Amino acid sequence: GENVEQHPSTLSVQEGDSAVIKCTYSDSASNYFPWYKQELGKGPQLIIDIRSNVGEKKDQRIAVTLNKTAKHFSLHITETQPEDSAVYFCAASTIGGGADGLTFGKGTHLIIQP
Amino acid sequence: ETGVTQSPTHLIKTRGQQVTLRCSSQSGHNTVSWYQQALGQGPQFIFQYYREEENGRGNFPPRFSGLQFPNYSSELNVNALELDDSALYLCASSRGTDLYEKLFFGSGTQLSVL
Repeated sequence: GENVEQHPSTLSVQEGDSAVIKCTYSDSASNYFPWYKQELGKGPQLIIDIRSNVGEKKDQRIAVTLNKTAKHFSLHITETQPEDSAVYFCAASTIGGGADGLTFGKGTHLIIQP
Repeated sequence: ETGVTQSPTHLIKTRGQQVTLRCSSQSGHNTVSWYQQALGQGPQFIFQYYREEENGRGNFPPRFSGLQFPNYSSELNVNALELDDSALYLCASSRGTDLYEKLFFGSGTQLSVL
């Protein structure tokens, strides 16, 4: 089955700086890669996703890049703000779609220092 | 906030007991997926329900079972509870089972097994 590795487990950045979280996946059949943000006491919230036929996608301060050859994808957050502090999860899904479920990484705790 | 609601928010059970968790999907969504999130880990796929039938399953034993009702709400049942079942149980709804359908998570039920 699919295996998703996520790094780092904790990331501390100064407010206004950029943050980068990286993930690798094992199954070359995976072709959908969402990113979720989870705040304390809440469920994961989708913040951006990318399909395998796209190399990069941007939404305001958030961007995701995908390298299918290397089987890795990354989340980039620019101009970080205190409200960006949360746990971020990457995930991957194969052609089986929802019936196979998403495989999540172990998460990155992002801390924005004032 | 998503329109996915879960109940109860917290639950304490004893090893060997049975538990039922409930989920109401977001309006317009006909598919429900359940995930288990252990402390410090990413969510792990349990199963998905579509048209009142199990549509896909992760690596969980048969003592984890579910139901989906005509109004698309869902239940997760766990029999013969074990200490390792202690986790946050997340329900997610979506508009369908397609690979690219976005999942909307509820805030979860925190289950403690003593």
